[in-house]
Amino acid sequence: AAGVIQSPRHLIKEKRETATLKCYPIPRHDTVYWYQQGPGQDPQFLISFYEKMQSDKGSIPDRFSAQQFSDYHSELNMSSLELGDSALYFCASSLVGLADYEQYFGPGTRLTVT
Amino acid sequence: DAKTTQPNSMESNEEEPVHLPCNHSTISGTDYIHWYRQLPSQGPEYVIHGLTSNVNNRMASLAIAEDRKSSTLILHRATLRDAAVYYCILRVRDNYGQNFVFGPGTRLSVLP
Repeated sequence: AAGVIQSPRHLIKEKRETATLKCYPIPRHDTVYWYQQGPGQDPQFLISFYEKMQSDKGSIPDRFSAQQFSDYHSELNMSSLELGDSALYFCASSLVGLADYEQYFGPGTRLTVT
Repeated sequence: DAKTTQPNSMESNEEEPVHLPCNHSTISGTDYIHWYRQLPSQGPEYVIHGLTSNVNNRMASLAIAEDRKSSTLILHRATLRDAAVYYCILRVRDNYGQNFVFGPGTRLSVLP
């Protein structure tokens, strides 16, 4: 079965640079979530989109923005990168209204800021 | 958001049952109890969820206390591949788009 795809899997950037992370949800899923997991920490919710509209917002810094496109893929744009942005970034998708609710997580993008 | 508390870590021997507890004393009547696990360097993975009744699936069983203030994830025969961090999460019923709030979870070690 198709899973959530994230690209790139690894990314190395320098301070003050920008980065774009991409997420391709499972086909027919209409909701995308972004989570950030710092070293040794638990996943923290950043932002979510339902049917291309922002549905919820968590601890996403103002330097970050995200959107969901017409094909339901989503991109997380990160600017003015800081050392503290080094983390695993997970995307998850779900189908709103599905009785057996699950969030399906991708393999993550490991961002290293030097 | 209602909070959950779990032990920081637990150990089990391979092929023995494992009972992972979760306290959620402030749970509301509309909260589902979800369990996810995260293997090293992987994204979280759905394990099981329930509302009031005990639930079984191919991965595990979920036992929910009658007052719903606690629950227990049961792995019937632990394998080395079950070593992971297990998260107990509450989700509001009918809020299918709700994001998950991950707490510290329980780090399960499985000894050969």
